[in-house]
Amino acid sequence: DIVLTQSPDSLAVSLGERATIKCKSSQSVFYTSNSRNYLAWYQQKPGQPPRLLIYWASTRESGVPDRFSGSGSGTDFTLTISSLQPEDVAVYYCQQYYSTLSTFGPGTKLEIK
Amino acid sequence: EVQLVESGGGLVKPGGSLRLSCAASGFTFSSHSMNWVRQAPGKGLEWVSSISSGSGGYIYYAESLKGRFTISRDNAKSSLYLQMNSLRAEDTAVYYCVRGEGDILNWFDSWGQGTLVTVSS
Repeated sequence: DIVLTQSPDSLAVSLGERATIKCKSSQSVFYTSNSRNYLAWYQQKPGQPPRLLIYWASTRESGVPDRFSGSGSGTDFTLTISSLQPEDVAVYYCQQYYSTLSTFGPGTKLEIK
Repeated sequence: EVQLVESGGGLVKPGGSLRLSCAASGFTFSSHSMNWVRQAPGKGLEWVSSISSGSGGYIYYAESLKGRFTISRDNAKSSLYLQMNSLRAEDTAVYYCVRGEGDILNWFDSWGQGTLVTVSS
């Protein structure tokens, strides 16, 4: 299985400041045939199901605020929230769909400082 | 509006069985791969199983399940199922029905609210 690790486990950021979450894959999730990274990001608020934020590592899902952005390639990826808002408090997960056996990262808990 | 509504969860004894159902609406069900993802209490997300679009000819399971679970779909009823046998305490979790976007290698763009399965004597 492809193992995803995330860092940090948790972080606290002041309102309006930048939040950065990293996801590292045990093997590349980049397909050379179509030049795409098979990685997605999700947000989960307490008591709610996860919500898709980003797919193809950097494509924002419809309706997701543009303060959310994804970057990276191969094995190293980053989710950035450019200006933290109160409603961004949540746990964030990365997911690889490069393999038919999909896997998620362990999650990063984001709080307000 | 895409809707995914799970049912069938509940309390079951170790070694028992349950069948989860997911009723889908608001989209062309047969055109999408479908998935089950679970989340143990206070824990992270764990992919369980995927079934391809159309006739569902491609099916995949998490290796940890060791053949105990079976995913299936009924396009005429816009429904997804998960038959769970030989249940263990570690199968206790909220089970989410999830729509896939893309081919069988898919990201998960719509999630149900989940159904809780508790395995306990």
